[in-house]
Amino acid sequence: AQSVSQHNHHVILSEAASLELGCNYSYGGTVNLFWYVQYPGQHLQLLLKYFSGDPLVKGIKGFEAEFIKSKFSFNLRKPSVQWSDTAEYFCAVNARRDDKIIFGKGTRLHILP
Amino acid sequence: DAMVIQNPRYQVTQFGKPVTLSCSQTLNHNVMYWYQQKSSQAPKLLFHYYDKDFNNEADTPDNFQSRRPNTSFCFLDIRSPGLGDAAMYLCATSRGRTPTGGMSEAFFGQGTRLTVV
Repeated sequence: AQSVSQHNHHVILSEAASLELGCNYSYGGTVNLFWYVQYPGQHLQLLLKYFSGDPLVKGIKGFEAEFIKSKFSFNLRKPSVQWSDTAEYFCAVNARRDDKIIFGKGTRLHILP
Repeated sequence: DAMVIQNPRYQVTQFGKPVTLSCSQTLNHNVMYWYQQKSSQAPKLLFHYYDKDFNNEADTPDNFQSRRPNTSFCFLDIRSPGLGDAAMYLCATSRGRTPTGGMSEAFFGQGTRLTVV
């Protein structure tokens, strides 16, 4: 069965620091990939997605992610974080052979002002 | 605004008393998902509908059932809630399969937090 691993459960950074959150998935076939963000008290919102083409995808609020097929990874990055980026971040994968979207455990990001 | 709406936001039920959670969408999406999320855990897929086709996850307890009477509405029924069923329940929708293959992104509701007493 497919699974998603997010290595960092809790990350604390100062404003203007660079961010990279790891995401690996376990499925050998073709996948669609997603990053979601959940701000305190709000619902899950899509940050960015990868279906095909350029493996470096840009999303909202200055976030980007790179799909590295050989490493089964889809890491999320932001060059300079802001206090308002404090939230929980979830990586998700869809194996194209089926209709499921499977989520990782999430990473809580706390930005110090 | 088109959206996914879950009612109620908070539900308290008694141990063993059937409870129904509801989800509606104005996006006219083909797919509706139900996830269970416990503290510090990944949202766990319980089941989903692709149009009228129902897909149950192998490890979803028999206690959990779902109905989708039309495109807009989907219900999660818990026949005999136990203390272990206390969680946040998330409903999500998706347009379905993309032209390049696989599923399009999911749109989520606010969730229903279920407490079992």
